[in-house]
Formats: sequence, C-alpha cells, structure tokens
Amino acid sequence: DQQVKQNSPSLSVQEGRISILNCDYTNSMFDYFLWYKKYPAEGPTFLISISSIKDKNEDGRFTVFLNKSAKHLSLHIVPSQPGDSAVYFCAATNSGNTPLVFGKGTRLSVIA
Amino acid sequence: ETGVTQSPTHLIKTRGQQVTLRCSSQSGHNTVSWYQQALGQGPQFIFQYYREEENGRGNFPPRFSGLQFPNYSSELNVNALELDDSALYLCASTPDTNSGNTIYFGEGSWLTVV
Repeated sequence: DQQVKQNSPSLSVQEGRISILNCDYTNSMFDYFLWYKKYPAEGPTFLISISSIKDKNEDGRFTVFLNKSAKHLSLHIVPSQPGDSAVYFCAATNSGNTPLVFGKGTRLSVIA
Repeated sequence: ETGVTQSPTHLIKTRGQQVTLRCSSQSGHNTVSWYQQALGQGPQFIFQYYREEENGRGNFPPRFSGLQFPNYSSELNVNALELDDSALYLCASTPDTNSGNTIYFGEGSWLTVV
C-alpha cells in the first residue's frame, strides 16, 4: 500500500521552461510535505517543504502547491536549468517528525 | 554538506553473511533514522533511535537491528543477508528542535549481496 505516489517515473523538459513534478498521497494524517532532490552517488538533499495549513510555498525558482482536498501536491521549477537534472522525491510526514514516507521518485532531465 | 557521514560507501557481501553500516551525525542531533532505498524505489524507513533507544520501526524483520551511541554515531546491522537486501542504506539525523525540513541525509552506503 503506497501512501505517497509519484506516477511519472521520468520527465524531460527544455532549459528555460517550467518543470512540474506531481505527487499524490492517500493518508489524511499527513500534514507536512517535503521535496528532496537526489543526484547519483549522493544522499537526498532537502529542497522545499509545505505545511498543510498552506497551499503554496515559494523559494526562488521552486514553488510547491498543495491541494488538500485532492491529496495532491506539485513542485514547479521555473525556469528549469540543466543542473536541475536529478531524481526528485516527494515525502510526507505527520507533524514534521520522522519517519518520512517517500514516493518512488521522478527523474527530471533538463535539456539544454 | 549535511554533517552526516556514512561508511563504508560501497561493499559487497555474500548471502547469509552479516553487515554493519556506520553513521556519524552532527553534534546535538539526538535522533537518527535509517532508510533503505532499493533500485527504482524511494527510501523506506527502517527504524529510528533517540538518545540510544529505538523509538520507531518500519516494516523490516528483526534481523535488521541498530545501535546509537552517545557520541552521535550509530550503526545498522543486518544479519543473514538476503539478495533483496541489496540497496542503498541512508542514515538521517534530526536536531532536537525538530521540523520536517531539518532532516539531514548522509550520502549512503551501497550494499550488494551476491
């Protein structure tokens, strides 16, 4: 039973365009959501998070949107850069505590 | 740089053997958790330690065990290795003033079981 789902295993976007990565969750107890970026041979690096009391959080080129009624969140990267090419994991938790429940990840390729 | 270091970075073991993976986290990070990331999957929670006591466990069998030491280091031990244990093992540390975005991951230990 996968509680956090990233249904797109891969996404390819042209440099300068917007990248939209999607994530769905099933557990209504989740109230804090995070996006991690992972390069090969490195551990996941925190990117951006959002609490369930918000519907949007922005940090530079990265914006996360949360739709609680649909149990859906998305990460927007604009403009996309080749250095953004990595695997992006969506994660969810209850009250900001571990454990984190991760999706399977989406591999983003930004083409120059 | 997360301040979380793991060793070894890569290792190969034979089925049935035992393995110990190590993690050193930042001073003041009293919570450490371990995750297993199999190929093509997201990280899966194994267990968590707080001040040297296990205080949370995922869906992993008892042959996965751990220790946390007062010097902010910890170990993950896996007995009777199986082929499916081949994965990236990630250590994550959390400061006592916890918020979800301050979970720091190490670079992981790649375990191959043959």
